[in-house]
Amino acid sequence: GESVGLHLPTLSVQEGDNSIINCAYSNSASDYFIWYKQESGKGPQFIIDIRSNMDKRQGQRVTVLLNKTVKHLSLQIAATQPGDSAVYFCAENNTNAGKSTFGDGTTLTVKP
Amino acid sequence: DAGITQSPRYKITETGRQVTLMCHQTWSHSYMFWYRQDLGHGLRLIYYSAAADITDKGEVPDGYVVSRSKTENFPLTLESATRSQTSVYFCASSESYGSSYEQYFGPGTRLTVT
Repeated sequence: GESVGLHLPTLSVQEGDNSIINCAYSNSASDYFIWYKQESGKGPQFIIDIRSNMDKRQGQRVTVLLNKTVKHLSLQIAATQPGDSAVYFCAENNTNAGKSTFGDGTTLTVKP
Repeated sequence: DAGITQSPRYKITETGRQVTLMCHQTWSHSYMFWYRQDLGHGLRLIYYSAAADITDKGEVPDGYVVSRSKTENFPLTLESATRSQTSVYFCASSESYGSSYEQYFGPGTRLTVT
């Protein structure tokens, strides 16, 4: 149930498995990145962020990896739970330009 | 602890009518944003504001007007609604912008233009 390297609009995993959601960003000047989770009928909610001077950052069950060479960002969710089912967006920010750009999102479905 | 609220939650209007979507935040955040989210897509920035009386265009500002006379309110007006403006609109706020600070999103307003 993992996808590495390729952005997929949907991802289905078994409960308890690890999930990897990928994002390719476009602007090499982007210096701050955020992952958001959006549950059905709600607004996006912050999960984790990373600055361009880092290549890895860990949260409680999530890890974000940043590869600036290929402009790639990934979100790893450990021991995926049904409550993790949602749409996940990455956002790239260029503090000089003052704008956030969101990716199209990946819909994660967790099967019990 | 209301956080960030949007009203109305749902709106149906006719082509050509003026519509105002309201956004209110209780945190005294400096920055506020308006996004639209179309089916199956990410969020696109319409306008943002760094402080009261300071606004700036985002990626898709055409057909929209914003104002920010008070820090806590950031209304979005569609001057003459078009069918292409049918979308879900999200308001967000943050303490700062870009570096270091996350955005807090409201629940969204689903707008249908007939």
